[in-house]
Amino acid sequence: AQTVTQSQPEMSVQEAETVTLSCTYDTSENNYYLFWYKQPPSRQMILVIRQEAYKQQNATENRFSVNFQKAAKSFSLKISDSQLGDTAMYFCAFMFNFGNEKLTFGTGTRLTIIP
Amino acid sequence: DAGVIQSPRHEVTEMGQEVTLRCKPISGHNSLFWYRQTMMRGLELLIYFNNNVPIDDSGMPEDRFSAKMPNASFSTLKIQPSEPRDSAVYFCASSLARGGGSTDTQYFGPGTRLTVL
Repeated sequence: AQTVTQSQPEMSVQEAETVTLSCTYDTSENNYYLFWYKQPPSRQMILVIRQEAYKQQNATENRFSVNFQKAAKSFSLKISDSQLGDTAMYFCAFMFNFGNEKLTFGTGTRLTIIP
Repeated sequence: DAGVIQSPRHEVTEMGQEVTLRCKPISGHNSLFWYRQTMMRGLELLIYFNNNVPIDDSGMPEDRFSAKMPNASFSTLKIQPSEPRDSAVYFCASSLARGGGSTDTQYFGPGTRLTVL
């Protein structure tokens, strides 16, 4: 079974600074997908970024980028120029590539952006 | 696009009552997921459907829980009888599964906050 670990329950950073959220996972599979979802106080789950394991290039979406280290089974999220609207819970999630679309989530990191 | 629609947004009921949660997926999506979020267990998949057929229901807690998808645009999650430990936020999500190892992103609804007294 796959497991996802987020070791930072809470983090805070000043507005406009850069912050990195950590995620590690455990799997014996070679092909899979990794995701970061954001959950603001409204509780809506919003996709931030996704990474296919077969792609060596790290995914980026505007101010959000990942550092995907497949051998180390690490998938960290970097938020640059952080904004007040980035305040939320952030969940790392894993999906096996073939046959089952189940998302396995980590326990989340509560990120607070300080004005 | 309207996104995934869930109803009700909030539900308060008494122990022993039947609860029905509803979900309308994004038009054109062929996979639908029910997740539950609690403080103790985090986010966990209960069941998911592909082309209206249940594919993985290993997360359904017990016989008190049942889910149906009678057509491509509607699904229900029913709890009968409800218990206080069922109190949680229940999310519905949908995606377009293209097969052959390709997968699309799951888009989540706003969730239903269920409180069982």
